[in-house]
Amino acid sequence: EIVLTQSPDFQSVTPKEKVTITCRASQSVGSSLHWYQQKPDQSPKLLIKYASQSISGVPSRFSGSGSVTDFTLTINGLEAEDAAAYYCHQSSSLPWTFGQGTKVEIK
Amino acid sequence: EVQLLESGGGLVQPGGSLRLSCAASGFTFRTYAMTWVRQAPGKRLEWVSTISGVGGSTYYADSVKGRFTISRDNSKDTLYLQMNSLRAGDTAVYYCASKIGVYGDPFDHWGQGTLVTVSS
Repeated sequence: EIVLTQSPDFQSVTPKEKVTITCRASQSVGSSLHWYQQKPDQSPKLLIKYASQSISGVPSRFSGSGSVTDFTLTINGLEAEDAAAYYCHQSSSLPWTFGQGTKVEIK
Repeated sequence: EVQLLESGGGLVQPGGSLRLSCAASGFTFRTYAMTWVRQAPGKRLEWVSTISGVGGSTYYADSVKGRFTISRDNSKDTLYLQMNSLRAGDTAVYYCASKIGVYGDPFDHWGQGTLVTVSS
């Protein structure tokens, strides 16, 4: 099973700041790494697919990068509505797995 | 607009059974693989099971293999999860999610979830 480890677990950020969340895989996932946003009491929402591909309707301040085992989600210019948990997910091999999540709080 | 609406959750005793349903609309259901993902309170998301578009192939997490059965009725645009021999560790919000293909693709749309509580 591929283990995904995110860092940090928690981040408290001022609006307009840049946020960087990393996801490290225990073995190669190629580019089959995706990012989701989950706001409190809501279901997850797809933010970035295949490491860096944007999703229609998602604000352009969200971007992704990386490949193989090391990936990054960047939020350029955090807004209050971005307070949420962020999860990475690999679809390279079964069982599909998720990172433990990174909670982003607005200061 | 894509909509996924889960139902069937509730309180069940250990060893009991429950059947979850997920009604889909807004897309061509039969062409999408469908998945169940669960989230225990305060825990990370956990993949449970996936079924191919025509239903010929099914996949399960080891934690539910032999106890849960995923199925679909493409004539009703509905996904199911039959859960037997339930344990306390199965307590979670269960989400249904769509994905274009079984392998590689992300979960592009999610339902609102249904809570399953296993307790005596």
